Amino acid sequence: DTAVSQTPKYLVTQMGNDKSIKCEQNLGHDTMYWYKQDSKKFLKIMFSYNNKELIINETVPNRFSPKSPDKAHLNLHINSLELGDSAVYFCASSPEHFGQGAYSPLHFGNGTRLTVT
Amino acid sequence: AQSVSQHNHHVILSEAASLELGCNYSYGGTVNLFWYVQYPGQHLQLLLKYFSGDPLVKGIKGFEAEFIKSKFSFNLRKPSVQWSDTAEYFCAVNDGNYGQNFVFGPGTRLSVLP
Repeated sequence: DTAVSQTPKYLVTQMGNDKSIKCEQNLGHDTMYWYKQDSKKFLKIMFSYNNKELIINETVPNRFSPKSPDKAHLNLHINSLELGDSAVYFCASSPEHFGQGAYSPLHFGNGTRLTVT
Repeated sequence: AQSVSQHNHHVILSEAASLELGCNYSYGGTVNLFWYVQYPGQHLQLLLKYFSGDPLVKGIKGFEAEFIKSKFSFNLRKPSVQWSDTAEYFCAVNDGNYGQNFVFGPGTRLSVLP
C-alpha cells in the first residue's frame, strides 16, 4: 500500500495549458505539502495545508492553486503553464503541523515529473 | 529565515571508502535536523533524524550523523560506502517551535564507483 501517492507520474504538456496533479495520503496525517524540485535537484516548499487549512504559502505565482477537499488529499492546479514550471513536484505529509507532530519527518510521494514544451 | 548549506555538490568515491557529507544551517533556535536520500528516479526517503539527546544519531543502512550545536553542523557519515549508496543526499532543518516548515539544503550527489 502506497502511503503518499501522486498522479500522474509523468505529465507532458504545452505552454499555456492548465493541468492538475493529485495527491492522496493514507497515513492519517493532518498536514500535507507540495514541494518543487528543479533541474538542479533543489527542493523548495510551495504550500502546506493542515486539516484543509492553508498554513504555508511561499512565493509562488498565483497560477498555482492548491486545493484540499479533505485532509487526506491535496491537489495542485496550475494555470497557463510556462516553460519554467518544468520540474518534479513532490507531495508530502506529516502527522501534525504543531506540537508533538512537529518532530515527525516528512513522508514523500514518488513525484510528478512535469515537462512543459 | 533559516537556510541550509551543503559543502559538496558532487562527491565521487570508490566502494569501501569512507564518506562524510557536510551540512550547516543558519538558525540559532531549537531545530530538528534530518538527512534524506533520493535514489535515482525515486522519492526522498528519511535516513535519520535528530531532535534532542545524544548528538550522534544512527540511521538506516549504516549511516550516522553528528550534531555539533556550536558549529551549526549536522554532518552525515558512513564508514564504508557501497555502489548502492549512489544517490542524492539532502540535509533538512525544521524549526521545532513553529511547526513543519522544512528547509532543505541544495543536495549532494554521491557517486560510488564499483
